[in-house]
Amino acid sequence: EDQVTQSPEALRLQEGESSSLNCSYTVSGLRGLFWYRQDPGKGPEFLFTLYSAGEEKEKERLKATLTKKESFLHITAPKPEDSATYLCAVGVVAGANNLFFGTGTRLTVIP
Amino acid sequence: DSGVTQTPKHLITATGQRVTLRCSPRSGDLSVYWYQQSLDQGLQFLIQYYNGEERAKGNILERFSAQQFPDLHSELNLSSLELGDSALYFCASSVGGADTQYFGPGTRLTVL
Repeated sequence: EDQVTQSPEALRLQEGESSSLNCSYTVSGLRGLFWYRQDPGKGPEFLFTLYSAGEEKEKERLKATLTKKESFLHITAPKPEDSATYLCAVGVVAGANNLFFGTGTRLTVIP
Repeated sequence: DSGVTQTPKHLITATGQRVTLRCSPRSGDLSVYWYQQSLDQGLQFLIQYYNGEERAKGNILERFSAQQFPDLHSELNLSSLELGDSALYFCASSVGGADTQYFGPGTRLTVL
């Protein structure tokens, strides 16, 4: 069964304190791994798509990496405005084109 | 702003009622997806339409149905509503059937 697990569930960081969020996945065939940011009561905002192991993508203070079993979202020198829930999702090669989402990591950055 | 629009933003109704949620995809996107997000569960896929045709179904209840119109906007119909249907309902769109999905702002449904 296709599965996505994110850890930790919640993370509190001091402003400037770098850290990483983990997304482990078990799928029959990976079509792509997607990272989204979601603010309370809002729709998920697209951040990155990764397609193959070894791929990396960067945007401002965020960097996403992918291996055959997991993905990391590295946050460098975070600011309070980076506080949000970060969602990981996978698309599977065989079957429907929907995304399987993890339950997210709730990040709080304290000034 | 993702370019995906959803109306209404909020909906409050009573058990047993029927509601319709509306979604307009990004310009040029042919695929529309519906997801449900409740407090105790993450984002759950409901249904996908591609260029007017149903493409895939997830954990969608029989009381729920959807359609995509010729102008590519989509509607999600929820009937015989129960308290447990209270959730955020998101629409997403993509260019094709396997591309990055962009999400709308959601409709918050409250069933009393």
